[in-house]
Amino acid sequence: AQSVTQPDIHITVSEGASLELRCNYSYGATPYLFWYVQSPGQGLQLLLKYFSGDTLVQGIKGFEAEFKRSQSSFNLRKPSVHWSDAAEYFCAGHSGGGADGLTFGKGTHLIIQP
Amino acid sequence: KAGVTQTPRYLIKTRGQQVTLSCSPISGHRSVSWYQQTPGQGLQFLFEYFSETQRNKGNFPGRFSGRQFSNSRSEMNVSTLELGDSALYLCASSPGQLSDTQYFGPGTRLTVL
Repeated sequence: AQSVTQPDIHITVSEGASLELRCNYSYGATPYLFWYVQSPGQGLQLLLKYFSGDTLVQGIKGFEAEFKRSQSSFNLRKPSVHWSDAAEYFCAGHSGGGADGLTFGKGTHLIIQP
Repeated sequence: KAGVTQTPRYLIKTRGQQVTLSCSPISGHRSVSWYQQTPGQGLQFLFEYFSETQRNKGNFPGRFSGRQFSNSRSEMNVSTLELGDSALYLCASSPGQLSDTQYFGPGTRLTVL
């Protein structure tokens, strides 16, 4: 079955430090992959997406993600976090056919320490 | 361009009642998908409508249903509410291709007492 896994439930990072959020996928073929961010009481905002081509994708708010087929991973990175980055981050995927909608990971709660 | 809007934002119902949630997609988008978000199960796909037809469906009981109108606006209905239906219901729209990116609304917070 298709799945997306985020191994870290919580991550705490100091403001100004670098960030990496992990995401692993299990799909028969190369999936369409996304990172969304959710602030408390809000909907999901798209940070970036990968369909094909360059495996390093740039997104909004200074985020980037790298698709690694050999590791079945699509990790999200940011060189220097800001207090406003504190939120819930979701990795999601679908097979391209989209028949089952987006499959989401359980999310990673990012805490920023001053 | 206005984003996805959902009404109402908050709703309180009692067990056994039914509820209807509404979603207006981004102008020009023809696909609307619905998701349920709970602390225990996370985000789960309910169904997707395209051109007034249900195109895809997740693994939810028949108490959950939806429809889409000719202007692409969509409604979701839950009948015979259960306590476990308490959740944030998110609507997402996309232009229409199954591979298109989905853009989410702010959600409707449903509490079942």
